[in-house]
Amino acid sequence: DAGITQSPRHKVTETGTPVTLRCHQTENHRYMYWYRQDPGHGLRLIHYSYGVKDTDKGEVSDGYSVSRSKTEDFLLTLESATSSQTSVYFCAISEWGFSNQPQHFGDGTRLSIL
Amino acid sequence: GENVEQHPSTLSVQEGDSAVIKCTYSDSASNYFPWYKQELGKRPQLIIDIRSNVGEKKDQRIAVTLNKTAKHFSLHITETQPEDSAVYFCAAKGGGADGLTFGKGTHLIIQP
Repeated sequence: DAGITQSPRHKVTETGTPVTLRCHQTENHRYMYWYRQDPGHGLRLIHYSYGVKDTDKGEVSDGYSVSRSKTEDFLLTLESATSSQTSVYFCAISEWGFSNQPQHFGDGTRLSIL
Repeated sequence: GENVEQHPSTLSVQEGDSAVIKCTYSDSASNYFPWYKQELGKRPQLIIDIRSNVGEKKDQRIAVTLNKTAKHFSLHITETQPEDSAVYFCAAKGGGADGLTFGKGTHLIIQP
């Protein structure tokens, strides 16, 4: 299994509170991604990173921000959580982005916003 | 942007029979097509992938075919077994640094 650790694995919080999810990798891969998974929607890209301090938006980026201060960590922040952000969040990594190397996923964070 | 359609949403087959899942994509620039298997409560796991310069790829009981002209690709599982029961996702990616675009998934049920 790829060395990807997501934390926390489960979180319940209230609407309006800030939430930060962490993705930590031990593979020294350059590319990291955040997806959300909802019933009937498959997985959708939120943000991705192609290097330290280099990030860009995905398909469903509204309400989310990210940061990558070092290669191994990619943080996803919900500044003011809403019930529509209740979802399972997956982090993925790949060695290269442009040459279409496989993406491998972490175990996910189940987030509930009440 | 890219759009990936996946069919069927549910597929039930008898153990030992073959299963086929089909996907279409919209962006002719897409050149990488992975398939993921996801068991309940687990992470998606890559099972096979194909790049646009290849028409078919096999790995034991699993094969993927790609028709670039028609912009569709398919997953074929032969001699299905109970452990093949899961949700399968197709995905497509272009040549940029951005992520994958996924289909909505197929729930494969293997009947004993």
